[in-house]
Amino acid sequence: QSALTQPASVSGSPGQSITISCTGASSDVGTYNLVSWYQRHPDKAPKLMIYEVTKRPSGVSNRFSGSKSGNTASLTISGLQAEDEADYYCCSYAGSGTFLVFGGGTKLTVL
Amino acid sequence: QVQLQESGPGLVKPSQTLSLSCSVSGGSSSSSSFYWSWIRQRPGKGLEWIGYIHDSGNTYYNPSLKSRVTISVDTSKNQFSLKLTSVTAADTAVYYCARGPSWYCIGGSCYANSFDPWGQGTQVTVSS
Repeated sequence: QSALTQPASVSGSPGQSITISCTGASSDVGTYNLVSWYQRHPDKAPKLMIYEVTKRPSGVSNRFSGSKSGNTASLTISGLQAEDEADYYCCSYAGSGTFLVFGGGTKLTVL
Repeated sequence: QVQLQESGPGLVKPSQTLSLSCSVSGGSSSSSSFYWSWIRQRPGKGLEWIGYIHDSGNTYYNPSLKSRVTISVDTSKNQFSLKLTSVTAADTAVYYCARGPSWYCIGGSCYANSFDPWGQGTQVTVSS
């Protein structure tokens, strides 16, 4: 069981928007604005998509956006494209003890 | 751009030591120093951070693995390595290396941030 809870799967049609949730606790997501999101295509290196809850690295499409409310962070992908089909993982700083926790991952299917 | 590539045996016997290396290429500045991490994904589980090392050699490990983990760095070879001792089937996983964490610093305190880039990952199976 992962420290952060994500839905196992989400799906959407091309052009639609989807949101992936990432639920943690007051000791991680709820306290720190240090949630990051990673995209992983099969047999490819995971790619940083969002960091510090809302920031996009250079080169990441502005179709990807992040947000947070309480102990839950979210990744929204707008204008779904076939290439967005991948696994997505969230990560949060969790204090000096536990340090870093990840979610179990969400498989996005573009219908 | 920086690229990372894991290498090492794909099969390790129970009770033995798992050893992996991560080669770093494409770095643009020798004056920059970074943190480097190992992260794994066991079958059916989420990602799990194993530990990091700084170019200076400072390390920090996941408390749940600390007693079995050693991460080392060889900056002259642009490489860092993972050793995990006394492995069991529960250590079967895809192992990733990554640059990071980056740090968010405010008010004199710093907090772990994100990982970028990552290697493609290497499957390690623990079996006799």
